[in-house]
Amino acid sequence: NAGVTQTPKFQVLKTGQSMTLQCAQDMNHEYMSWYRQDPGMGLRLIHYSVGAGITDQGEVPNGYNVSRSTTEDFPLRLLSAAPSQTSVYFCASRVTPITDTQYFGPGTRLTVL
Amino acid sequence: AQSVTQLDSQVPVFEEAPVELRCNYSSSVSVYLFWYVQYPNQGLQLLLKYLSGSTLVKGINGFEAEFNKSQTSFHLRKPSVHISDTAEYFCAVSDKRGYSTLTFGKGTMLLVSP
Repeated sequence: NAGVTQTPKFQVLKTGQSMTLQCAQDMNHEYMSWYRQDPGMGLRLIHYSVGAGITDQGEVPNGYNVSRSTTEDFPLRLLSAAPSQTSVYFCASRVTPITDTQYFGPGTRLTVL
Repeated sequence: AQSVTQLDSQVPVFEEAPVELRCNYSSSVSVYLFWYVQYPNQGLQLLLKYLSGSTLVKGINGFEAEFNKSQTSFHLRKPSVHISDTAEYFCAVSDKRGYSTLTFGKGTMLLVSP
């Protein structure tokens, strides 16, 4: 198993540009989520999904869109990037129950100029 | 809603010394508690979790944590640290619903020096 994979590893955008961060998992996990990590802020939940076709907002959803058309993939879209979205983004997945281990991807480091 | 407070942003310690990383949580309902570790330039991985039963939980790499309901704490301990334990450690909490989300603390950077 490759686990949770994320692409790209690094990305530099200009303000106003759009892009999609890719996340895929090969563990047949129903639950997937996106976090952003900022210095001194820990991890904050952006969006999550409990299965294909079902998504919901987390703590900091503004400026981000998600969709879940398959169990394996959960892309995160930035429609118009802003410098405040400079961060490290982590995707995670787990079998649905919260008691199960949540597996994290290696992260995408995004800089918005 | 739940919240987590990690009282120390950095903890410097010498190799082979004991360490305790502190975590307090706030919640109006019963919770599950987790500790995750993040090595430099990597994603997070689970160290240990408290779901129920014994309040002393043992995890990977010699770490353990104790759940104290009266003090709403879940401190992480290791009796003797190694250089390789240098990493950022995150405490996290969730309620007990199946689809619950994790709420993370701000992290504690453990710096182990020789």
